[in-house]
Amino acid sequence: GAVVSQHPSWVICKSGTSVKIECRSLDFQATTMFWYRQFPKQSLMLMATSNEGSKATYEQGVEKDKFLINHASLTLSTLTVTSAHPEDSSFYICSARGTYQNIQYFGAGTRLSVL
Amino acid sequence: AQSVTQLDSQVPVFEEAPVELRCNYSSSVSVYLFWYVQYPNQGLQLLLKYLSGSTLVKGINGFEAEFNKSQTSFHLRKPSVHISDTAEYFCAVTPYGQNFVFGPGTRLSVLP
Repeated sequence: GAVVSQHPSWVICKSGTSVKIECRSLDFQATTMFWYRQFPKQSLMLMATSNEGSKATYEQGVEKDKFLINHASLTLSTLTVTSAHPEDSSFYICSARGTYQNIQYFGAGTRLSVL
Repeated sequence: AQSVTQLDSQVPVFEEAPVELRCNYSSSVSVYLFWYVQYPNQGLQLLLKYLSGSTLVKGINGFEAEFNKSQTSFHLRKPSVHISDTAEYFCAVTPYGQNFVFGPGTRLSVLP
């Protein structure tokens, strides 16, 4: 099946710093990528949807300036958590879908811990 | 809009016993249905999906699910569970591959 690589798998940073998370589709062209956030023992909440070459569409309540999403190529999307604070600590998961695909393929997730 | 309900937040079961994880959804349009499994500190792995055709869908690791349109359900079953099946299970729906809506998850704990 299709493979989505997410990096890093775990990052610890100081409060106030910015963190970039990469999501790559390894064997298909991901025309659409999704970013989810998962709190402990909870389900996945969609943060934003990005189409290659376009601005991301953010879900209600998600701060665009806090969570910067870039989808510059058909195989790479990045999520940058700017000026991270402890409340941004969470598990972030990306997924990708090709043009004619009807399912999403998920990355392994990134655990962000902000001290 | 779509919504997904997983009535059981936790399901403990003894090894080799059968298990059923319940999923109900609501939607004003036809949807695709999925079950994903998440092991600790890992991403989601697709167990099975229903797109069309036979309402009984077989997936990986011996799991199967049955789509019931009249009851808007997509329950996941396994006739005999193993310790390694201990994980979080998520039911999800999507209107033809658009945005996914996930249920709250069911924690399956297989006891020796």
